[in-house]
Parts: sequence; C-alpha cells; structure tokens
Amino acid sequence: SAVISQKPSRDICQRGTSLTIQCQVDSQVTMMFWYRQQPGQSLTLIATANQGSEATYESGFVIDKFPISRPNLTFSTLTVSNMSPEDSSIYLCSVDDASGARFGPGTRLTVL
Amino acid sequence: GEDVEQSLFLSVREGDSSVINCTYTDSSSTYLYWYKQEPGAGLQLLTYIFSNMDMKQDQRLTVLLNKKDKHLSLRIADTQTGDSAIYFCAESKPSGTYKYIFGTGTRLKVLA
Repeated sequence: SAVISQKPSRDICQRGTSLTIQCQVDSQVTMMFWYRQQPGQSLTLIATANQGSEATYESGFVIDKFPISRPNLTFSTLTVSNMSPEDSSIYLCSVDDASGARFGPGTRLTVL
Repeated sequence: GEDVEQSLFLSVREGDSSVINCTYTDSSSTYLYWYKQEPGAGLQLLTYIFSNMDMKQDQRLTVLLNKKDKHLSLRIADTQTGDSAIYFCAESKPSGTYKYIFGTGTRLKVLA
C-alpha cells in the first residue's frame, strides 16, 4: 500500500497567517485528497487534487481559503489561508489504492 | 441523506471481545470500511467488506454486514490495551466519485 508522509506534523499559528501543508506519496497516483478532522469530529473531505487541473472543492470549502497545488503525481500542498481559531483541526492527506483510502499521519494545526 | 452513525464510546476489559456498531443510510454503497485512529496519528485501514458479502474475518477482526438493515459491525476478539483507539466506519460510493463518508467514530477504551 502507498506510504504517505506529511509536513509539518503539527504547528501553532497566529490568526490571520497562512500555513502550507505538504503531502508526499511514495508512488504515482492520479488523485490526492485533503480531509479536515475538527476536534472530536469525523473526517470531512475538503477537496480532490488532480495533477494538471484545478482542485475540486466540496460544498463549504473554497479555493481562496484552501488553495491546493498538485505539481506532479506524487506531491500536493494544501494552504490554510487567513487562519482563525476555527481552523484548528487535523488536516489529512489521502490516496486511494485497491483496498480503500490510505491516509497520511496528519498535520495538527492550532490557531491562536 | 449521507449519515453514518456510530456510538461514541465503548469500554471493555482486556481479553474480552469488543463489538463496534455502525449504521449507514446509502444502500448504493459499494464497499464498507473500518479504520483505526490512535492518538496523534492518521487513520489506519483495518479491513473492508464488499457490499455483497455478509461476513469477513481477518485474524482477530470479524466484520458483519446486514445490508437489509444497513448495519455494519466490527468484532475484535481478545481485545488488548493496544486496541484502545477511535474506530471509524466508512462507506464508499459507486466508482467514479471516489467519495467516502465517514462515521462519527467510536472511542474504544480497553481496561487492564
């Protein structure tokens, strides 16, 4: 199964700033997914990142707030822009393989 | 609707069996999954079942699917303290959408 790494693993940020989260996969994949897990909550899909095209955002998420890059088939970034305390969450990168969704270790973001 | 429901907490004694339950609403789901999330970590895929099966066993894990009642369960035999985690069930839509709906998560606490 795919091995997924994320950087940073955690960060504490001031409100109004932006943070870019990196996701690296050890194999080429067509689609990469970004999820948010708010404290004590389940996972919510933010967007799907395809290489060579714009990301597809789920209802309630917009590109200005969560810009995504997908420069190649093994890498993607998610930026959380103009952060507020409500953005404090775990952000998870995911890819699909034959068995199901595989997840990175997550980035735990705290916004003060 | 697209709700996947789970009970929030389960506490068992070490060596006993744990049964974690999940109900879903979309009868068109193709696969159903169980994930484990340990503190500070991403989600680990434990097992999955195709929607035309009613049981799958994998070592200490047994998945039961009642498609008529849209009920999924995960039984962990001989539960160990290392099994303490949050368990999420998830359903996936028919191919083409790559969309997973995650349950609310069940926090399993194993008492020594």
